[in-house]
Amino acid sequence: QQQVKQSPQSLIVQKGGISIINCAYENTAFDYFPWYQQFPGKGPALLIAIRPDVSEKKEGRFTISFNKSAKQFSLHIMDSQPGDSATYFCAASMLSGQNFVFGPGTRLSVLP
Amino acid sequence: NAGVMQNPRHLVRRRGQEARLRCSPMKGHSHVYWYRQLPEEGLKFMVYLQKENIIDESGMPKERFSAEFPKEGPSILRIQQVVRGDSAAYFCASRKTNGNTIYFGEGSWLTVV
Repeated sequence: QQQVKQSPQSLIVQKGGISIINCAYENTAFDYFPWYQQFPGKGPALLIAIRPDVSEKKEGRFTISFNKSAKQFSLHIMDSQPGDSATYFCAASMLSGQNFVFGPGTRLSVLP
Repeated sequence: NAGVMQNPRHLVRRRGQEARLRCSPMKGHSHVYWYRQLPEEGLKFMVYLQKENIIDESGMPKERFSAEFPKEGPSILRIQQVVRGDSAAYFCASRKTNGNTIYFGEGSWLTVV
């Protein structure tokens, strides 16, 4: 019940295209859903996060869509750029900060 | 405001030696998490600590691994009698009390030869 599922495992997108990564969770007690971006040899960095009281959050080219009833959320990267090539992790936690659970990651490659 | 500081960044140990990884959380953060990442794999939770307390160590192997976060000084992840399978990147993250988000350090890469 603590697991967060993430798909696809890897994704190849042409420059300018839309990248979509999907995540699903089981534990309805989760109430905070961040996305992290990790470049090779670096630590994961917070990209964008959402709480379940909203269905969508947008920051620049990055948008999270959240479906509370389906217990799913997704990351959309508009106008994908080669510099977006990285591994993306979704996560879920409770606002208490405990049980911070990560998905297995998606390796995104944006072709020039 | 400095971020989460981890050292050493790279560490090479022979089988049977001890590895000590240090993590200084962001200023004002009193919660620390340790994760392990194998090459091409995800982040595996190991342990969650507050100052002087281990809150959740469910992801940490029962033997050879220990963690602490003393009242003063950095959090330390200690691996005794290292084996080749311990070779991985170890990431520390911190959070402030009542904060939602955890912030990661740049990681410590352990290689066991």
